[in-house]
Amino acid sequence: QQQVKQSPQSLIVQKGGIPIINCAYENTAFDYFPWYQQFPGKGPALLIAIRPDVSEKKEGRFTISFNKSAKQFSLHIMDSQPGDSATYFCAASKGSSNTGKLIFGQGTTLQVKP
Amino acid sequence: GAVVSQHPSRVICKSGTSVKIECRSLDFQATTMFWYRQFPKKSLMLMATSNEGSKATYEQGVEKDKFLINHASLTLSTLTVTSAHPEDSSFYICSARDQNGYTFGSGTRLTVV
Repeated sequence: QQQVKQSPQSLIVQKGGIPIINCAYENTAFDYFPWYQQFPGKGPALLIAIRPDVSEKKEGRFTISFNKSAKQFSLHIMDSQPGDSATYFCAASKGSSNTGKLIFGQGTTLQVKP
Repeated sequence: GAVVSQHPSRVICKSGTSVKIECRSLDFQATTMFWYRQFPKKSLMLMATSNEGSKATYEQGVEKDKFLINHASLTLSTLTVTSAHPEDSSFYICSARDQNGYTFGSGTRLTVV
């Protein structure tokens, strides 16, 4: 029940395309859903995050869509660029306290071709 | 924004020796920090939750005597890999939570030879 399932495992798009990465969770107590971007040899960096009281959130070229009833959320990258090539992780945690554990999805390796 | 500094970024050690990795929150206080391990092309696996002033909470299957965690202050947590062996070689990442979410360190690549 602690799992977060992420798909696809890898994704290749052309520059300007809109890659979409999907995640599903089981634990309805989760109330914080962030997306992270990771480059090789670096730690994850927060891209955007959403809470279950909204269905969509947009920051720059990144959009999260959230479906509470289906327990699914997705990341859309608009006008993708070669510099967006990285590994993306969805995650989830529960509780508003600082001790809430962050559970990660399996990751998606994105390649944006010039 | 919040910054978490992790040191060293890379370390090579001989089998049987111990290695200490430091994680500091630079501009905020963190009563709780988290330690992750990441294998190549894999996701982050939570190893333990580090609590300031008390014992760490380890995830199932993580050897607490192998991976010693000390959270001595509100801005510093350390992970010591004791009697390291080649199978401990991995990418270790720390994280802390502030009012805006979780911030990660830049990771430590440990190679045990």
